Amino acid sequence: QQQVKQSPQSLIVQKGGISIINCAYENTAFDYFPWYQQFPGKGPALLIAIRPDVSEKKEGRFTISFNKSAKQFSLHIMDSQPGDSATYFCAASGRNTGKLIFGQGTTLQVKP
Amino acid sequence: KAGVTQTPRYLIKTRGQQVTLSCSPISGHRSVSWYQQTPGQGLQFLFEYFSETQRNKGNFPGRFSGRQFSNSRSEMNVSTLELGDSALYLCASSRDRNYGYTFGSGTRLTVV
Repeated sequence: QQQVKQSPQSLIVQKGGISIINCAYENTAFDYFPWYQQFPGKGPALLIAIRPDVSEKKEGRFTISFNKSAKQFSLHIMDSQPGDSATYFCAASGRNTGKLIFGQGTTLQVKP
Repeated sequence: KAGVTQTPRYLIKTRGQQVTLSCSPISGHRSVSWYQQTPGQGLQFLFEYFSETQRNKGNFPGRFSGRQFSNSRSEMNVSTLELGDSALYLCASSRDRNYGYTFGSGTRLTVV
């Protein structure tokens, strides 16, 4: 019940295209859902996050869509650029747990 | 402002030895959590400290321990190292325990 399942494992997108990564969770106590971006040799960097009282959040080219009833959330990267090539992790956390449960990650390659 | 600082960046240790990793959180952040990242298991939660007390613990053996000091800096210790402990160890800090975790660049531990 603590798992977060992420798909796809890898993704190749053409420059200017839309990248979509999906995550699903089971624990209804989760109330914070961040996405992290990680480049080789670096730690994960917080990209965007959402709470379950909102169905969508947009920051620049990055959008989180959240479906509470389906217990799913997704990251959309619009106008994907080669510089977006990285590994993306979804995560979930319960209130006052201090603990992030991560998905397995998606390696995104944006071709020029 | 300065980010999360982890030292050292790289470590090579021999099986059976012990190791101490250090993490300096962002100023004002009181929650510090630790994660182990490996290609096979992904990002796994080790433990979280808040106000010098361990508040949450992941599913790791007792060889993994940590502590937090009054200035919120944290250390993680691994005793009797095993080959399987080779990983990237990441520290993350947050103002409280509910959102906005910022990660450091990690300590790459290799056990030979």
